[in-house]
Amino acid sequence: QQQVKQSPQSLIVQKGGISIINCAYENTAFDYFPWYQQFPGKGPALLIAIRPDVSEKKEGRFTISFNKSAKQFSLHIMDSQPGDSATYFCAASLINYQLIWGAGTKLIIKP
Amino acid sequence: NAGVTQTPKFRILKIGQSMTLQCAQDMNHNYMYWYRQDPGMGLKLIYYSVGAGITDKGEVPNGYNVSRSTTEDFPLRLELAAPSQTSVYFCASSYPLAGGPENEQFFGPGTRLTVL
Repeated sequence: QQQVKQSPQSLIVQKGGISIINCAYENTAFDYFPWYQQFPGKGPALLIAIRPDVSEKKEGRFTISFNKSAKQFSLHIMDSQPGDSATYFCAASLINYQLIWGAGTKLIIKP
Repeated sequence: NAGVTQTPKFRILKIGQSMTLQCAQDMNHNYMYWYRQDPGMGLKLIYYSVGAGITDKGEVPNGYNVSRSTTEDFPLRLELAAPSQTSVYFCASSYPLAGGPENEQFFGPGTRLTVL
């Protein structure tokens, strides 16, 4: 019930294409769903986040789609660029601000 | 601001040795966290603290100890190191806003630990 399942494990997208990463959860007590981006040798950094009372949030080329009834949320990266190549983590927050993390998706954008 | 700093960057330990991973933040954040990151496993919370003098266990606390005597520092202690503790360790901090679930965590650069 505390798990967040993330797919795919790895993803290769052509430059200019759309990258889509999916996450699913079981615990309806989660109240905040962030996505973090991690470059090699660095710590993760917050990319974008959404609350469960919102179905979509867009920031530039990055969009979170949230389906509360299906307990699923996804990250869409439009016009993917080589600089977007990184590992992406979804997460879900409990009421005490603890984050439960997905396993990560390694994204490679081919020029 | 230096943000979240961690030392050392790399360390090799022998089985049974002990060490302390240092973490400091200069953002006056009340929450601090220790995670371990294993390949293909995401991040697992080891311990966290909601303020000086207050710590609590996360998902994987066995084999570790923490203390929080100041707002700035949150060291992680490994006693009797085991090969299963080979991992990358990240410290993070945050300042959750009252009344909402938003909680951006700021991460340090990590410590790569190998236990042989």
